[in-house]
Amino acid sequence: QQQVKQSPQSLIVQKGGISIINCAYENTAFDYFPWYQQFPGKGPALLIAIRPDVSEKKEGRFTISFNKSAKQFSLHIMDSQPGDSATYFCAAQGSTGNQFYFGTGTSLTVIP
Amino acid sequence: KAGVTQTPRYLIKTRGQQVTLSCSPISGHRSVSWYQQTPGQGLQFLFEYFSETQRNKGNFPGRFSGRQFSNSRSEMNVSTLELGDSALYLCASRRTGSSYNEQFFGPGTRLTVL
Repeated sequence: QQQVKQSPQSLIVQKGGISIINCAYENTAFDYFPWYQQFPGKGPALLIAIRPDVSEKKEGRFTISFNKSAKQFSLHIMDSQPGDSATYFCAAQGSTGNQFYFGTGTSLTVIP
Repeated sequence: KAGVTQTPRYLIKTRGQQVTLSCSPISGHRSVSWYQQTPGQGLQFLFEYFSETQRNKGNFPGRFSGRQFSNSRSEMNVSTLELGDSALYLCASRRTGSSYNEQFFGPGTRLTVL
């Protein structure tokens, strides 16, 4: 059973547009929600993370929106650039365990 | 500071064989986790080691095993390889095993089973 559900599977956005990737979870014990970016031939790298005590976190062009009641969180990439083309994974972790649960990934393509 | 290194980067094996993958964490990191990455499945957690002890284990058959050495380096072994084991195997290290510590991933080992 997929603990974290991610959508869409793939996304194509024009340069300068907004990319939005959504994730949903069921386990209310999760309390740390990171997003990872992965380029071909590389391992995933932490992009931005949020804890459920805030509803939004912004770092440059990247923003996480978190809805605790709906058990959903999303990544927004503003002013998307071709260099943002990569696979993005959401993840969740609970304070009682150390295991990270990952979404299935979103392949983002930003076209010039 | 050197990142997480994994060896080998690429591996081709045949069904029934066994394979050992190696991971060297970032200096000072004591927690090492292993993941299997396949298209459509994302990253599936295999196991985590901390101070030479397995702390967590995912839902993989017993053919998948691992260990961690006193210098925090870790190895993963897959015995009796199956075609479905073809995947990118990623290793990630953290400073400690506690929550909220950032995971740093290596580049992975691409395993192909023929």
